[in-house]
Amino acid sequence: SQKIEQNSEALNIQEGKTATLTCNYTNYSPAYLQWYRQDPGRGPVFLLLIRENEKEKRKERLKVTFDTTLKQSLFHITASQPADSATYLCALADSNYQLIWGAGTKLIIKP
Amino acid sequence: DGGITQSPKYLFRKEGQNVTLSCEQNLNHDAMYWYRQDPGQGLRLIYYSQIVNDFQKGDIAEGYSVSREKKESFPLTVTSAQKNPTAFYLCASKAGRDGQPQHFGDGTRLSIL
Repeated sequence: SQKIEQNSEALNIQEGKTATLTCNYTNYSPAYLQWYRQDPGRGPVFLLLIRENEKEKRKERLKVTFDTTLKQSLFHITASQPADSATYLCALADSNYQLIWGAGTKLIIKP
Repeated sequence: DGGITQSPKYLFRKEGQNVTLSCEQNLNHDAMYWYRQDPGQGLRLIYYSQIVNDFQKGDIAEGYSVSREKKESFPLTVTSAQKNPTAFYLCASKAGRDGQPQHFGDGTRLSIL
């Protein structure tokens, strides 16, 4: 069956360091992958999209990579700040372009 | 400001009762979605609509119903047939083209009395 995995344990990072979150998938050949941020009690907010023919995408302090051979996407936040603390969700487009969602990784940036 | 409004923020359902969750958007988006979010799980698709007066079942449609009479509105009814309705419900919309991001409301938390 189709599966998306994100680290279920919270990731604790010291302020100023780079945070790296992982999204692994099986039994997919997604056309694109999206990353979202979700704060407690709020809806997800879109951050970045990367397509299957792209290796890397950047937006300010954010960087996403997409390795279709490893079936993995990495999400990096450089110069992390306490305000970056949130849950980060990855979502892949299936063959009907519907999004399949990972459970998310909680990121905690310590001052 | 354009966006998606979900109401109410919190909702309680009694045994055997149907409840309706509201979702309104002023983004002029064609597609709208309802998801359910449970702890430790990814968002699961309940229903979606690509155009007015048309909607499709998602992965977990049993016990739920929707309507799409207006482009701006996509209400979700949680019926008494849904035996485990306690969850965080999220509504989203998207411009028509593939790859466009989904825009979410701030959710409705439904609990059982």
